[in-house]
Amino acid sequence: EAGVAQSPRYKIIEKRQSVAFWCNPISGHATLYWYQQILGQGPKLLIQFQNNGVVDDSQLPKDRFSAERLKGVDSTLKIQPAKLEDSAVYLCASSSGTRIETQYFGPGTRLLVL
Amino acid sequence: AQSVTQPDIHITVSEGASLELRCNYSYGATPYLFWYVQSPGQGLQLLLKYFSGDTLVQGIKGFEAEFKRSQSSFNLRKPSVHWSDAAEYFCAVGAGAQKLVFGQGTRLTINP
Repeated sequence: EAGVAQSPRYKIIEKRQSVAFWCNPISGHATLYWYQQILGQGPKLLIQFQNNGVVDDSQLPKDRFSAERLKGVDSTLKIQPAKLEDSAVYLCASSSGTRIETQYFGPGTRLLVL
Repeated sequence: AQSVTQPDIHITVSEGASLELRCNYSYGATPYLFWYVQSPGQGLQLLLKYFSGDTLVQGIKGFEAEFKRSQSSFNLRKPSVHWSDAAEYFCAVGAGAQKLVFGQGTRLTINP
């Protein structure tokens, strides 16, 4: 069974530029998560989708971050414009159910904003 | 609000020695508890989880954890560590609607 796929793996941009990350969850998984992991910290949930609907986006900085999950499968996370403090690893995870389930994580996208 | 505290930012142990990583949580209801491991440049891999039942949980790679409700703890243990266990370890509590709240992590270094 293929795992969670993410691309790109690394991205370097300058502040005020825009950037997009892509995630393909495990096949059949209804729930998809985007986390932000700042160096030295644990992952922090940005947004959670169930199928193509948003369940929780309370910690998503909506003035600059946006995310979508078209057709309830792949998802993209966009930052526009980027700030220095957005430098982090962006992790995508997926789970199969609607209750607390094991979340399976992708390798992450490491973003550096200069 | 749910929270997780991992008191040790960095732990160093010798290869072959025993290991215990501490985790304390704050959550009003019955918690769902997880331990994940993250190797450099990698995503998080699930080591073990507690949902209910036996409070001593066995996981992959020889790890185990014990849920102690009275102490609000879910400490991770391994009787004998290997050099390949060097990584970052994260404890997490499952909150409502499938949300996970992570601790800040403990970095494990293994001395040869």
